[in-house]
Amino acid sequence: AQKVTQAQTEISVVEKEDVTLDCVYETRDTTYYLFWYKQPPSGELVFLIRRNSFDEQNEISGRYSWNFQKSTSSFNFTITASQVVDSAVYFCALTAAGGFKTIFGAGTRLFVKA
Amino acid sequence: EPEVTQTPSHQVTQMGQEVILRCVPISNHLYFYWYRQILGQKVEFLVSFYNNEISEKSEIFDDQFSVERPDGSNFTLKIRSTKLEDSAMYFCARDNEQFFGPGTRLTVL
Repeated sequence: AQKVTQAQTEISVVEKEDVTLDCVYETRDTTYYLFWYKQPPSGELVFLIRRNSFDEQNEISGRYSWNFQKSTSSFNFTITASQVVDSAVYFCALTAAGGFKTIFGAGTRLFVKA
Repeated sequence: EPEVTQTPSHQVTQMGQEVILRCVPISNHLYFYWYRQILGQKVEFLVSFYNNEISEKSEIFDDQFSVERPDGSNFTLKIRSTKLEDSAMYFCARDNEQFFGPGTRLTVL
């Protein structure tokens, strides 16, 4: 069975602080994909990153960075120097390669205060 | 890449009525997905559709639901007899879920 756990329900930070959103996953598959999505108050789902299970290199995109560690089954997301526009719900998700179903975590609501 | 679009953006219906939600227009893509999100909750997989056939469906996707691609481009989700608990955002996605549509908010009264 596949499972994605985002233990942080809500996080509140002050602008310019760094913040890390945790994601822990479970799967028996050796090949799988991990995703992060942003859901702003407007409601759409914005794709941020897809990482396959064979690529453990950390990724950086502007103020965003991702730390994938298979040893701990974690795929954490860090926002550096947070901004008010980062306020949203962030979802981590998992799909098995060759599968057709993506399992989402419960989401972490991030509040960034000015 | 063309975006995924969905119509309508908001649908209000009476319990027991049929609704059809659409991904429009999509061409030259083989993989499609429907997800739903009850307000304030997580995104849940409903069904995946590959090469004009259902490839996988969840336990939520019961006999009240159906999907099809009637004209080779539109990808539709039909709910035959809506229930109050069907009220949710419904998202269409394509190509390994990297591209989600803006969603349709369904309200069942």
